[in-house]
Amino acid sequence: DIQMTQSPSSLSASVGDRVTITCRAGQTISIYLNWYQHIPGKAPKLLIYAASTLQRGVPSRFSGSGSGTDFTLTISSLQPEDFAIYYCQETFTNALTFGGGTTVEIK
Amino acid sequence: QVHLQESGPGLVKPSQTLSLTCAVSGDSVNNGAFYWSWIRQPAGKGLEYIGRFSKTGSDYYNPSLEGRVTISADTSDSRFSLTLRSVIVADTAVYYCARVGQYHGNWYFDYWGPGMLVTVSS
Repeated sequence: DIQMTQSPSSLSASVGDRVTITCRAGQTISIYLNWYQHIPGKAPKLLIYAASTLQRGVPSRFSGSGSGTDFTLTISSLQPEDFAIYYCQETFTNALTFGGGTTVEIK
Repeated sequence: QVHLQESGPGLVKPSQTLSLTCAVSGDSVNNGAFYWSWIRQPAGKGLEYIGRFSKTGSDYYNPSLEGRVTISADTSDSRFSLTLRSVIVADTAVYYCARVGQYHGNWYFDYWGPGMLVTVSS
């Protein structure tokens, strides 16, 4: 399986902050990378697929970039509803491995 | 809008069989454009992909579970199920069902259920 490493594992930020989360794949995966948002107790939500394509209905403050092994999720201006856990996922292999998650907490 | 909801026993004894159902509304498990999948998350750990099935495509199961797991459609076209045999304590987790699509070869899980906790304990 491909190892997917997210950093940081957690961060504290304020409403209005620009937040960046990084995901590194253990081997090159082209643009086969998704990002999800998870608020505990609720259904996880697809934010971005194919590294940079915004899922329908997702606010434009979310953006994704990267290819190969290094990827980034950016929230341009953090909103109260964005405090959650964020996961990346490789879709290059059948294993569809997830990263360990990044918790975004209120500062 | 597509909604998914997991249901089943919240407690299973070791060596027994875990059976969960995912109710789908707003779509049908007969829709050949999508796969239907299960994912789990043990407490304090990451998400683990269990596998997927489709009425028209090939199934896939996580090799670490293969031999113990089956994902299949129920008799109705609005439900699919997960069967995990010979469970152990390490199978304790929150289990999620999800719909899986593809975009130019990139898989994506576009709709998920809220998840349900299954505890394996005697």
